[in-house]
Amino acid sequence: GAGVSQTPSNKVTEKGKYVELRCDPISGHTALYWYRQSLGQGPEFLIYFQGTGAADDSGLPNDRFFAVRPEGSVSTLKIQRTERGDSAVYLCASSPAHTINYNEQFFGPGTRLTVL
Amino acid sequence: AQTVTQSQPEMSVQEAETVTLSCTYDTSESDYYLFWYKQPPSRQMILVIRQEAYKQQNATENRFSVNFQKAAKSFSLKISDSQLGDAAMYFCAYRSGRGSTLGRLYFGRGTQLTVWP
Repeated sequence: GAGVSQTPSNKVTEKGKYVELRCDPISGHTALYWYRQSLGQGPEFLIYFQGTGAADDSGLPNDRFFAVRPEGSVSTLKIQRTERGDSAVYLCASSPAHTINYNEQFFGPGTRLTVL
Repeated sequence: AQTVTQSQPEMSVQEAETVTLSCTYDTSESDYYLFWYKQPPSRQMILVIRQEAYKQQNATENRFSVNFQKAAKSFSLKISDSQLGDAAMYFCAYRSGRGSTLGRLYFGRGTQLTVWP
């Protein structure tokens, strides 16, 4: 079956612009996660959703970052007034449920965001 | 917050040989899970192996096995009979078993593994 997909694969924008990054999870997966991976670092947690609601958004770095999942499937990560420090690979993952702790998180290929 | 440390930025191994990647973590929790993920140049993270903290037996998946030392908070990955396709960045990750941070993975900085023919 299809895995987690993310669009666009690459995004180049200018400082101060608004961007949206999209994640299509595996069909039927109720939990969805966003991570940010800066160059030379491991992924850092941003937010996760259980269904339509954000169960934990404590990883969002500031109020320029916002994510939604209105119908409990596709999610969009929105970044306002982008800064050069936002440049990173943004990874999305999904899993069948978060209540079963060892459930594998299935990752997408990421979106590489470059802010000039 | 939990921290995960991978002290080896780079490792290399000859094809068919064995290599061990190190990982240590810091936590005050007793209920947690540990993972090794592989990230090839395609960027897609792939789960290699996982270990439940309550299990004393070390996890094994084909050529991949772990040495889980709970008291020492150590979780190393051993790759036996290394293959060219094993070349990738490897990340160690921690996940709480309960509480408000249940959903998140904490990752180390990664170890870049090179496999020589």
